[in-house]
Amino acid sequence: QQQVKQSPQSLIVQKGGISIINCAYENTAFDYFPWYQQFPGKGPALLIAIRPDVSEKKEGRFTISFNKSAKQFSLHIMDSQPGDSATYFCAATRSNYQLIWGAGTKLIIKP
Amino acid sequence: EAQVTQNPRYLITVTGKKLTVTCSQNMNHEYMSWYRQDPGLGLRQIYYSMNVEVTDKGDVPEGYKVSRKEKRNFPLILESPSPNQTSLYFCASSRAGQGRGSPLHFGNGTRLTVT
Repeated sequence: QQQVKQSPQSLIVQKGGISIINCAYENTAFDYFPWYQQFPGKGPALLIAIRPDVSEKKEGRFTISFNKSAKQFSLHIMDSQPGDSATYFCAATRSNYQLIWGAGTKLIIKP
Repeated sequence: EAQVTQNPRYLITVTGKKLTVTCSQNMNHEYMSWYRQDPGLGLRQIYYSMNVEVTDKGDVPEGYKVSRKEKRNFPLILESPSPNQTSLYFCASSRAGQGRGSPLHFGNGTRLTVT
């Protein structure tokens, strides 16, 4: 019940394409769903986050889609660029003290 | 510049030799936390601290110790390291916890190898 399942493990997308990373959860008490982006040699950094009272949140080329009934949320990167190549983590929490992390997706954007 | 600083970046040690990884933040954050990152397992929380002198176990605390004597510092101590503690370690801080409105700020990591 505490798991967040993230897929795919790795993803290769052509420059200009759409990158899609999916996450699924079981615990309906989760109320905050962030995505973190991690570049090689760096720590993760918050990219975008969503609450379950909205179905979509967009920030520039990055969009989170949220499906409460299916208990799924996904990250879409439009017009993917080589600079977007990184590892992406989804996460979920129902408290301030324990963030449940997905296993990560290594994204490579081919020029 | 607001940052979380971890030292060292790389550490190679032998089984049983006590070591400390330091972590310091300059953002006056109350919440600090340690994670380990392993391929296919994502980030797993080791210990966290809500404030000075307040620490609690995360998901994988065995073999680790922490202390929070000052607000800015949160060292991770391995009293007797073992090879299964070979990993990439991250320290993080936030204004208050890990929830909405309080993003985690991570250091650049410490890659530990225990032989």
